[in-house]
Amino acid sequence: EVQLVESGGGLVQPGGSLRLSCAASGFTFSSYDMHWVRQATGKGLEWVSAIGTAGDTYYPGSVKGRFTISRENAKNSLYLQMNSLRAGDTAVYYCARVATMEWYFDLWGRGTLVTVSS
Amino acid sequence: QSALTQPASVSGSPGQSITISCTGTSSDVGSYNLVSWYQQHPGKAPKLMIYEVSKRPSGVSNRFSGSKSGNTASLTISGLQAEDEADYYCCSYAGSSTPWVFGGGTKLTVL
Repeated sequence: EVQLVESGGGLVQPGGSLRLSCAASGFTFSSYDMHWVRQATGKGLEWVSAIGTAGDTYYPGSVKGRFTISRENAKNSLYLQMNSLRAGDTAVYYCARVATMEWYFDLWGRGTLVTVSS
Repeated sequence: QSALTQPASVSGSPGQSITISCTGTSSDVGSYNLVSWYQQHPGKAPKLMIYEVSKRPSGVSNRFSGSKSGNTASLTISGLQAEDEADYYCCSYAGSSTPWVFGGGTKLTVL
């Protein structure tokens, strides 16, 4: 089955760190660009980071310098290292797939909840 | 505040048609035919419904269609069904600085 499964979410204090994982299956993981998108409760979607098939990475200003996206193709896995977490980072984090040279998210995981609170 | 502007809610009766707008700028929606739309039921992952403004992925009903005029993209759902009740999000490529921007989402209620 083609799917993405996130894990690693939880409760963390402001200023703390957390590492999210996304396990891919059913497709050739190394051939796809991968992304993280988040959604605060009751809010819209926000793009968080992307990594290309060559390992090139991209971030919006809101997380640049605090979040690091990485991938391990041998393990069909995507990661998001989140440091210096703030209350505003509280959200469900989804991993999503984008075919190379395409510009839409054609497969999403079910998400993992990150809560930043003291 | 989201980068793309969508109405907070729309509603329609079964069998009717509705349209959801998505307004951006000349830097995103207006510059690229790379608008996509996603459907999200409560507690579920988003699902791709439309890509590249008006293309439908395999398996998506032809009751869903997309269009664009200037800086505004639109999603139209015809022959509304109860299962269409969900949140809908638009997304556009926006260039190399922040490549992907989303709308704030629209809650569709089928009366």
